[in-house]
Amino acid sequence: LAKTTQPISMDSYEGQEVNITCSHNNIATNDYITWYQQFPSQGPRFIIQGYKTKVTNEVASLFIPADRKSSTLSLPRVSLSDTAVYYCLVGDMRTGRRALTFGSGTRLQVQP
Amino acid sequence: GAVVSQHPSWVICKSGTSVKIECRSLDFQATTMFWYRQFPKQSLMLMATSNEGSKATYEQGVEKDKFLINHASLTLSTLTVTSAHPEDSSFYICSARLLRTEAFFGQGTRLTVV
Repeated sequence: LAKTTQPISMDSYEGQEVNITCSHNNIATNDYITWYQQFPSQGPRFIIQGYKTKVTNEVASLFIPADRKSSTLSLPRVSLSDTAVYYCLVGDMRTGRRALTFGSGTRLQVQP
Repeated sequence: GAVVSQHPSWVICKSGTSVKIECRSLDFQATTMFWYRQFPKQSLMLMATSNEGSKATYEQGVEKDKFLINHASLTLSTLTVTSAHPEDSSFYICSARLLRTEAFFGQGTRLTVV
């Protein structure tokens, strides 16, 4: 399973753009990159998923370079409610029978 | 998106008793569900993979006789913590995946053993 490396923590202020980078040097051909958000005492919540290039949805953008050995989650104009732990995961999407392995995650603290 | 529901959200039990946690996929059938455990300020750690109609597969270091998993139907998996002790106090989270989609997680169950 591809291992991921993220910064342990990040600080930001309301209204700023936050970029969290994840390294996954051993990503396999069939692996997708997925980001989750977790608030205290809650289960992880899906944010965005991608395979290559750029993916954008209503809450975030995901940038993946051509070699796919890293990815960057971009959160535009964060608010206090974006304070959470963000996990980058890689895994094979072809099957639903394999669990996703969580790394340490990045603890984002948004200040007013 | 698909919904995974856990029950109860929190439970307090006495040391030595057993506790059952339910995980349901509300709008889809999940042949495979996953159970994670999370200690404070730590990441999620996979405990076991639950397959409908067969025995669960446990991760190394997880006692299968202590953490009993039953996946009796395509929408329900249960985790029973037997003879619970204070060190079993943790946040337990279940997850299910569909083919070619992201994983969906329950809201988690906070277990406190006193």
